[in-house]
Amino acid sequence: NAGVMQNPRHLVRRRGQEARLRCSPMKGHSHVYWYRQLPEEGLKFMVYLQKENIIDESGMPKERFSAEFPKEGPSILRIQQVVRGDSAAYFCASSPSIAKNIQYFGAGTRLSVL
Amino acid sequence: GENVEQHPSTLSVQEGDSAVIKCTYSDSASNYFPWYKQELGKGPQLIIDIRSNVGEKKDQRIAVTLNKTAKHFSLHITETQPEDSAVYFCAASGNNDMRFGAGTRLTVKP
Repeated sequence: NAGVMQNPRHLVRRRGQEARLRCSPMKGHSHVYWYRQLPEEGLKFMVYLQKENIIDESGMPKERFSAEFPKEGPSILRIQQVVRGDSAAYFCASSPSIAKNIQYFGAGTRLSVL
Repeated sequence: GENVEQHPSTLSVQEGDSAVIKCTYSDSASNYFPWYKQELGKGPQLIIDIRSNVGEKKDQRIAVTLNKTAKHFSLHITETQPEDSAVYFCAASGNNDMRFGAGTRLTVKP
């Protein structure tokens, strides 16, 4: 029973490029959450999605960031025109419908913007 | 929205001693309180949780207590071991959202 899978584990981008982070939830989970973590800081909520729906994007920056969770395939967090300040660890979590606030985390994607 | 405060930010104990981490929350609608352990380079791992209809929960060397009236909850680790060294996060959750504390870096000295 695989856990939450995130890839890539490490991603290096130059300023102005696009970053795509993928998250496959645990089997049977239909709720996905994205968090951002800066070094030595806590987890900051970004967005909560169900299949084909964005439920809460109150933590997402208004520009350059977008997220989706299509009917088929992984959830994608997309950052356009990356800047150095986007460098962080991005974590995805998933939960089942019957207990949607019990979240299980992936290992994260560490984004470095040069 | 929910605001979660966590203390202390760092905690150092001797192996075998107990460690206590405390959190407060602001939203009285929060009803689920998990604790996560994050080791270096890894994702947070759920170690114990408690719901608002329970005052205390224990799992081997770890326990969590909840005081709904005061809106605070605590993590207790007894007989600490070096492998308990990590960053611990508390969180509070209502219906759709979960908000995390800033974390406590626990160091257990052998």
